Amino acid sequence: GQQVMQIPQYQHVQEGEDFTTYCNSSTTLSNIQWYKQRPGGHPVFLIQLVKSGEVKKQKRLTFQFGEAKKNSSLHITATQTTDVGTYFCAGGAYSSASKIIFGSGTRLSIRP
Amino acid sequence: EAGVVQSPRYKIIEKKQPVAFWCNPISGHNTLYWYRQNLGQGPELLIRYENEEAVDDSQLPKDRFSAERLKGVDSTLKIQPAELGDSAVYLCASSPRTGIFMNTEAFFGQGTRLTVV
Repeated sequence: GQQVMQIPQYQHVQEGEDFTTYCNSSTTLSNIQWYKQRPGGHPVFLIQLVKSGEVKKQKRLTFQFGEAKKNSSLHITATQTTDVGTYFCAGGAYSSASKIIFGSGTRLSIRP
Repeated sequence: EAGVVQSPRYKIIEKKQPVAFWCNPISGHNTLYWYRQNLGQGPELLIRYENEEAVDDSQLPKDRFSAERLKGVDSTLKIQPAELGDSAVYLCASSPRTGIFMNTEAFFGQGTRLTVV
């Protein structure tokens, strides 16, 4: 079945450093979504990418969708303490209409 | 606008006991999801509803889990009997619409943290 893998599992950075998490799917995706979950909280939607090679920016966050629509990345420039949390990608499958598979997430912690 | 409301927030039960979780999605959202999230992992889809129809329940352990969304609005997820391995956070989410091969963003509730002892 479809699998969505994320790396790294954990990332600990100094405040001000950059951060990147990568998402890879075993199958071609119809779209990919990114969510952020703060400690003790629930996932909150960040963005959705649909087109092959698409790049979107939200302030210090840059999201990319691969040309083959099987991978994606989230890059945060100059991290701040408010960026702490777990970042999940969620891939939408072509084979099962509207089924979304979440990755295992990357937990970001930051040294002030 | 109220978000997705779940209750209870926390539940502790003994194994073999039944338990039920309730979810009220955002008004007007036709799609409702139940996810289970184990510690340190991503949400795992249990069941997805389009209005009152369960369109994807392939991941729902049907021997002990059941769900319903009778009027296409709020929903209940039940476990009977509960096992130790069912301890997790159960998340409900809703979306305004889904189309073929296209998802829209999911709005999550606060979740119910279940502990089975």
